[in-house]
Amino acid sequence: KQEVTQIPAALSVPEGENLVLNCSFTDSAIYNLQWFRQDPGKGLTSLLLIQSSQREQTSGRLNASLDKSSGRSTLYIAASQPGDSATYLCAVGQAGTALIFGKGTTLSVSS
Amino acid sequence: DGGITQSPKYLFRKEGQNVTLSCEQNLNHDAMYWYRQDPGQGLRLIYYSQIVNDFQKGDIAEGYSVSREKKESFPLTVTSAQKNPTAFYLCASSIVGREGDTEAFFGQGTRLTVV
Repeated sequence: KQEVTQIPAALSVPEGENLVLNCSFTDSAIYNLQWFRQDPGKGLTSLLLIQSSQREQTSGRLNASLDKSSGRSTLYIAASQPGDSATYLCAVGQAGTALIFGKGTTLSVSS
Repeated sequence: DGGITQSPKYLFRKEGQNVTLSCEQNLNHDAMYWYRQDPGQGLRLIYYSQIVNDFQKGDIAEGYSVSREKKESFPLTVTSAQKNPTAFYLCASSIVGREGDTEAFFGQGTRLTVV
């Protein structure tokens, strides 16, 4: 059964720092991997979607990479800002089921 | 404009009551999903549907029921059989692509509290 793990569970950084969030999965037979942002008490906002044939996707200050063979993805956030404070979730898409989520990394960026 | 609408935002249930959470999408997506979120537990799948009049149980379907009579609607009923229903419920939708479900989009959630 697919398991998705996110490390660290929480992260605090000063404004301006570059940071990396990690996501690992146990079964490499995935169709895609998606990164989401969740603000407290809100729904999920899609940040980046990486198809299984892709190595990375970029959107503004965000860059997500995917290494399917090793079961890893990273979300790189450049020049972090207090507005980036949120919980970041990764999820994998597989055949025959819905997205499977990690438990998330809660990021706090201080000014 | 296009999106997923969940209602109500807050819902209170008395012991022994059934309640229904609404989820509507105007994105013309084939697939719709219900997840439950508890603190420290991440998102857990309750039910999902890839086509009208068909749906599958997720990991925690006991005590819940769904229907998919229209493409744009996927209501979730929390029955009295669900012993611990207090949680944040999230609905999502996606296109069913050639290689599985594509990018998923979420509603703003419904917070259900048992009183």
